[in-house]
Formats: sequence, structure tokens, C-alpha cells
Amino acid sequence: QKEVEQNSGPLSVPEGAIASLNCTYSDRGSQSFFWYRQYSGKSPELIMFIYSNGDKEDGRFTAQLNKASQYVSLLIRDSQPSDSATYLCAVKSGGSYIPTFGRGTSLIVHP
Amino acid sequence: DGGITQSPKYLFRKEGQNVTLSCEQNLNHDAMYWYRQDPGQGLRLIYYSQIVNDFQKGDIAEGYSVSREKKESFPLTVTSAQKNPTAFYLCASKTGGNQPQHFGDGTRLSIL
Repeated sequence: QKEVEQNSGPLSVPEGAIASLNCTYSDRGSQSFFWYRQYSGKSPELIMFIYSNGDKEDGRFTAQLNKASQYVSLLIRDSQPSDSATYLCAVKSGGSYIPTFGRGTSLIVHP
Repeated sequence: DGGITQSPKYLFRKEGQNVTLSCEQNLNHDAMYWYRQDPGQGLRLIYYSQIVNDFQKGDIAEGYSVSREKKESFPLTVTSAQKNPTAFYLCASKTGGNQPQHFGDGTRLSIL
């Protein structure tokens, strides 16, 4: 059974701070890692994704992979109140059509 | 403008009634998926389809049915056998390989 674990939170950070969200996964064969943002009552929106070959930075967002410890992180720099949402992590093994989703971490950025 | 369109946004089901949720995409994606999300819960896979005229059950397929007669369309029927249908239903699609899924806006289903 492939598992993806996220701390449900809420993670509360002040505006302008760095928010760090983590996601652990059980399948060592995982190759693709996705981060989605979901506002209350809305559908998930893809923020960024990385593969097992490296980290990625896109604007204020950075995704980092630690293969040895089997976790992936999403860092949000200069956090804004508009970043307040639930962040879903999804992990997919090579050759599989089905990603496994975590339950999400609620982030609150307070002014 | 390319995207995934789900309709209706809100749907109410009466006791013993079947209802069908629509999902259409114009992204030329091969794979399509249906998920169910309950409050405070993650996404649970209902059905998925990798190609036209083929689909597979996900983790919670009981009480649901699908069809994939066209590449663009993957409707989900919630049958009367699904005793607890109240949830947020999400349709997703993707191209092949390790590309990410993209989601429609969702349909919120409630019981009358």
C-alpha cells in the first residue's frame, strides 16, 4: 500500500515569512512529485512538480526532494495572506497512471 | 481556451435516483480520472480511463459507473446504490508519462 503523509496543520506563519510544507512517501520507486494548492470550496490547482532528478524553483515557490529520507518539501518565500489554503502533495511511481495523494496541509498566513 | 469543464456546479439527488456528472476536456489528454473529496479528507479515486472505450475501477468504485466513448468526455453516474453520495466530485485529466493531472472546477453533490 503506497502511502503519502502530510501534517494536517494548520501551519500558521506571519506575512513575509517562509512557509515550509513537508510530505513523506512510502514507495521508494516514486519518480514524480506534485504540489497542488486548494482554496476552500475550490478544486486543486497545480503549483509545481519535480522529478526524482532534482529540485525546482519557480518564483516564490521551491520544491525539494530528499530521496534518502523519502520526503518532499514545498517552500513558500515571502508568504502572503493569499497563500492561505490547503496544500496537497501527490506522488507517482514510474509506470503508474495513478498518483497517490496526501490529505493536505492547511496553511494560514496572518498579516 | 483549453481546459476541463465539469457540470453542473451543484447537483441534488433524490432518494433512489441516478444522477450523471459531466466532464469534458479539450486538452487532448489521453487519461481521465474521477475523484471524490469529503470534508477534511484527501482525494479518493473512483474510476480512471487511460484510453477511449477502456476504464478501470479505483479504490471506491461501488455505487458508481462511467463510460469513455469519446476522448474528450468521461461522465460519471452516481447510482442509487451509492448510499452516501454527498461529496465534492473532481474530474482530472493528463497526458502520458510523468506529467501532472489537471483538475476541473468540481461538482458538489447533495442529497435532497
